[in-house]
Amino acid sequence: GAVVSQHPSWVICKSGTSVKIECRSLDFQATTMFWYRQFPKQSLMLMATSNEGSKATYEQGVEKDKFLINHASLTLSTLTVTSAHPEDSSFYICSARDRGKAEAFFGQGTRLTVV
Amino acid sequence: QKEVEQDPGPLSVPEGAIVSLNCTYSNSAFQYFMWYRQYSRKGPELLMYTYSSGNKEDGRFTAQVDKSSKYISLFIRDSQPSDSATYLCAMSAVGSYIPTFGRGTSLIVHP
Repeated sequence: GAVVSQHPSWVICKSGTSVKIECRSLDFQATTMFWYRQFPKQSLMLMATSNEGSKATYEQGVEKDKFLINHASLTLSTLTVTSAHPEDSSFYICSARDRGKAEAFFGQGTRLTVV
Repeated sequence: QKEVEQDPGPLSVPEGAIVSLNCTYSNSAFQYFMWYRQYSRKGPELLMYTYSSGNKEDGRFTAQVDKSSKYISLFIRDSQPSDSATYLCAMSAVGSYIPTFGRGTSLIVHP
């Protein structure tokens, strides 16, 4: 299957700082990328969908000024959590799909802890 | 009613058993069906992908789609302790491609 690399796998940051998470498709062109948040023992919660070169579409209730998504190239998308607070602590996962294909491939996830 | 329903379990089976995991859905526009396996603290891994109705087999895994009943299944033969994970079903419609996920079923295969 296709490979999606997400970095970092875990990060601890101080309250009020910003954190950037990278998601790269290594062997295919990711025309669409998805960003999810997952709480313990819960399913995936879609935060936003981004198409290459376009602004991200955020799900209802997700603050776009807090969770900045950039999808500037066909292989890279970034999620920046701005002014992070302890309630932003969670597991963030990206996934990517190629044009015309329905199946999406996931990154390894990033565990964010805000102290 | 959620668009995709999946029993969270846990489902506990002995090693070697045949496991049946299922999802039901309500949106008749769904045409693409996927099963993912997620180990704790890891991203989901795509196991099976099927389009429309029918069966698909890959090693010990068989995916079935019954669109008339809006019901999909994943069968795992000769289950192993290493199969212990959460299994997520996902589905999407033509043109949309935004997957809708079930909440996942926790599977425990004990030696």
